[in-house]
Amino acid sequence: QKEVEQDPGPLSVPEGAIVSLNCTYSNSAFQYFMWYRQYSRKGPELLMYTYSSGNKEDGRFTAQVDKSSKYISLFIRDSQPSDSATYLCAMSAGSGNTGKLIFGQGTTLQVKP
Amino acid sequence: SQTIHQWPATLVQPVGSPLSLECTVEGTSNPNLYWYRQAAGRGLQLLFYSVGIGQISSEVPQNLSASRPQDRQFILSSKKLLLSDSGFYLCAWRVVETQYFGPGTRLLVL
Repeated sequence: QKEVEQDPGPLSVPEGAIVSLNCTYSNSAFQYFMWYRQYSRKGPELLMYTYSSGNKEDGRFTAQVDKSSKYISLFIRDSQPSDSATYLCAMSAGSGNTGKLIFGQGTTLQVKP
Repeated sequence: SQTIHQWPATLVQPVGSPLSLECTVEGTSNPNLYWYRQAAGRGLQLLFYSVGIGQISSEVPQNLSASRPQDRQFILSSKKLLLSDSGFYLCAWRVVETQYFGPGTRLLVL
């Protein structure tokens, strides 16, 4: 079993829809959670960063962490064609000196005009 | 502000040829640095990380090696490329408990 599971999709939605992207994990020590957005042929860019449980909102994006269920989500409101990209979740336990992250496989999202 | 550079952006190399990819960061000192490979449609595979000059940790056995000759320089190398080395190579640096990525190098081995 992988430490982090993420449905690769692809996920196709109409413009304006609410998008829900999810990851599950098995390591209860994880406490730092990130979402990256990666456009085709580009490096991933950090989109959202949360610590421990709860919600964090930034514009149209909301990151949610449920540590009791070992489940994290990224919600995109009023989705736009420019949101079409691959979204990667990442997490860590706060691994001291190494700073290593564990990544999900990524979910490919297509928002159709 | 901090920035990360990678070059070249794209590389086409024959099987058996050597490889050298370079990553440099600006605006920070003594960063943790990472090399990842991303195969088409796949997730990120951590190849190497470095916590300081001359300190390299390898995550998977493979045809590649890494070096850190200077504080803000991280190099990925191979003596003889294999077809399976094709992919998108990403360098990243650590900021607290997150990482920021460079633009990547697309390598095609023919």
